[in-house]
Amino acid sequence: NAGVMQNPRHLVRRRGQEARLRCSPMKGHSHVYWYRQLPEEGLKFMVYLQKENIIDESGMPKERFSAEFPKEGPSILRIQQVVRGDSAAYFCASSPGAGHEAFFGQGTRLTVV
Amino acid sequence: EDKVVQSPLSLVVHEGDTVTLNCSYEVTNFRSLLWYKQEKKAPTFLFMLTSSGIEKKSGRLSSILDKKELFSILNITATQTGDSAVYLCAVWSNTGKLIFGQGTTLQVKP
Repeated sequence: NAGVMQNPRHLVRRRGQEARLRCSPMKGHSHVYWYRQLPEEGLKFMVYLQKENIIDESGMPKERFSAEFPKEGPSILRIQQVVRGDSAAYFCASSPGAGHEAFFGQGTRLTVV
Repeated sequence: EDKVVQSPLSLVVHEGDTVTLNCSYEVTNFRSLLWYKQEKKAPTFLFMLTSSGIEKKSGRLSSILDKKELFSILNITATQTGDSAVYLCAVWSNTGKLIFGQGTTLQVKP
C-alpha cells in the first residue's frame, strides 16, 4: 500500500516559468491538502481539495496559484510565472476525511532561479 | 479563529533526559489532534488523539489529550540524539482542514 506520492522531488524553474507539482493520495483517501514550508518556518496551509472540488483555498495566494484534484489522476498544484519568493518545499497530505489520520508525501522542493 | 499554539518553541536537552512538549488549541467542533515528527524531510505521523485521558504510547513516546483544558502533551523519555527534530501538533478545523502549530524544535545533545 503505497503512501502519498509526490513528484517531482526537486524542481528548478526560471523566473516567469510555470511549475506543476503532483500529488497522488494514499489508496482509499479522497481528501488532499497542500502546504508550503519555507526554511526554518512552519507548515502553512494552502488548499484543501476533494475529488473535483476545492473545499477551502483560504491559504492560496490570489494570483498565479491554482490547484485541482480531477476525477482521475493526481492532484496538481500549479504556479504560474514563478518568482524567487515561491522557492519553498511544498507538501501534500491525504486523509480519508477530516478527523482521521493524515499522511504526508515526501514533498517537492521548488527552486526558482 | 481556529488556532494551535505549541510550547516551548525550542528545547535543548542531553541524552537520557525526559522532555514534555505542549500543544494548546482553540477550534470549533473538535474532532482530533495529531502529532508529527519532522526531520529534514516530510512530517511523519506519530499519534492521533480523540478522547481525553487515554494515553497513546509508542516506545519511548507517549501522548495524552485533555479536551476540557484544550491541550495535549507529548512526552519523550530517555531521549536519544535521533529524537532531534521538529515536533508538530495539528488539529482538524471546523471546515475540515488540518491546522498546525509553529512546532517545537528539540535538540538532543550527546
